[in-house]
Amino acid sequence: AQKITQTQPGMFVQEKEAVTLDCTYDTSDPSYGLFWYKQPSSGEMIFLIYQGSYDQQNATEGRYSLNFQKARKSANLVISASQLGDSAMYFCAMREGPLRAGTASKLTFGTGTRLQVTL
Amino acid sequence: DAGVIQSPRHEVTEMGQEVTLRCKPISGHNSLFWYRQTMMRGLELLIYFNNNVPIDDSGMPEDRFSAKMPNASFSTLKIQPSEPRDSAVYFCANGQGARGELFFGEGSRLTVL
Repeated sequence: AQKITQTQPGMFVQEKEAVTLDCTYDTSDPSYGLFWYKQPSSGEMIFLIYQGSYDQQNATEGRYSLNFQKARKSANLVISASQLGDSAMYFCAMREGPLRAGTASKLTFGTGTRLQVTL
Repeated sequence: DAGVIQSPRHEVTEMGQEVTLRCKPISGHNSLFWYRQTMMRGLELLIYFNNNVPIDDSGMPEDRFSAKMPNASFSTLKIQPSEPRDSAVYFCANGQGARGELFFGEGSRLTVL
């Protein structure tokens, strides 16, 4: 089974509108973390937002928010007030196991969603 | 801090040649990851190191691939001999941020003809 599933290969949104990018995950570990990365056409991977499995509130970072529904195992990214510069690939990723001091854990990535912001 | 530095940024080589990709991680971050990105398979973890020790190399496709981390400031990924199906973008990533996020280099785009 896929650990991270992104079912939307591509999405379009008009400038200034909000858009939701879907992500579902599969793990039996009670402690995990969920991440979203942005990859513009230039190719770099940019970290956007993080949600821990025990976090009570949904994460927010500026125009990005994460709609975390633990029972449904979903971690959707919401981008508000879309801008042309938001056009990119967006990847959902998961760390299984607790956050550990001193060393990082591997992240498993979904297949990504290509977002195109239009005028 | 300069971030994760990868070289070369682009490499075009012929089938059968040896390819060496290099990574200079962020100082003080003890974990290093090599990922490969292709259209068909997405982002795959090849291998990762903690404190210069390989922890999980189950993603290394075959014996043609090898990775080393001789010290905390340098890692290499070597493909010998290279094949056209190795064409991909290879990312080096370094952990960790306060939330466990990984910091990625700009990638090395490899084309094997």
